[in-house]
Amino acid sequence: DIQMTQSPSSLSASVGDRVTITCRASQAISNYLAWYQQKPGKVPKLLIYAASTLQSGVPSRFSGSGSGTDFTLTISSLQPEDVATYYCQKYNSAPAMFGQGTKVEIK
Amino acid sequence: QVQLVESGGGVVQPGRSQRLSCAASGFTFSNYAMHWVRQAPGKGLEWVAVILNHGSNEYYADSVKGRFSISRDNSKNTLSLQMNSLRPEDTAVYYCARDSFLGPGARYYFDYWGQGTLVTVSS
Repeated sequence: DIQMTQSPSSLSASVGDRVTITCRASQAISNYLAWYQQKPGKVPKLLIYAASTLQSGVPSRFSGSGSGTDFTLTISSLQPEDVATYYCQKYNSAPAMFGQGTKVEIK
Repeated sequence: QVQLVESGGGVVQPGRSQRLSCAASGFTFSNYAMHWVRQAPGKGLEWVAVILNHGSNEYYADSVKGRFSISRDNSKNTLSLQMNSLRPEDTAVYYCARDSFLGPGARYYFDYWGQGTLVTVSS
């Protein structure tokens, strides 16, 4: 099975900072990559699919890029409401596989 | 609006069985594949199983294959997960999630999630 590895596992940044999270697949997955946000005590929320397509209603400060094995999620200007754990997920074939998550906190 | 409401969680002894249900509303249930995804306490997300829109095909994670069975009743807009031979490592919040793809097949990413139901496997 394809493994998904995120880095860093956690980060702390100031409000307004640009934040980047990376996700690496153990094999090429084209652009079959989604990103989810899970706020503390809440349900995961789909942010991005097809590596770079923003889900309806998601703020434009979120963006995704990449193809093949290397992907990034960028928050252009970190806001207090962005405190959450972010997961990447590959979906080119079963089984769907998630990264281990990146916890984002405010400094 | 799309709603997914899970039920059936609780404390169960190792080796026993438990059945989870998910009631769907706000969309045409029979048009979408449906999934179960779980999250152990303080841990990440793990996909568990999928059933295609007409119930003709099911797929499972290796960790639950042969022990769990996913099913659906399109006349009642209900998704189920029968969990047998439960192990302590099956302890998790179980989420019902809708596949993003409208029609036959599945894309294996999830645009709507329920609130989850906690299953604790412990003696």
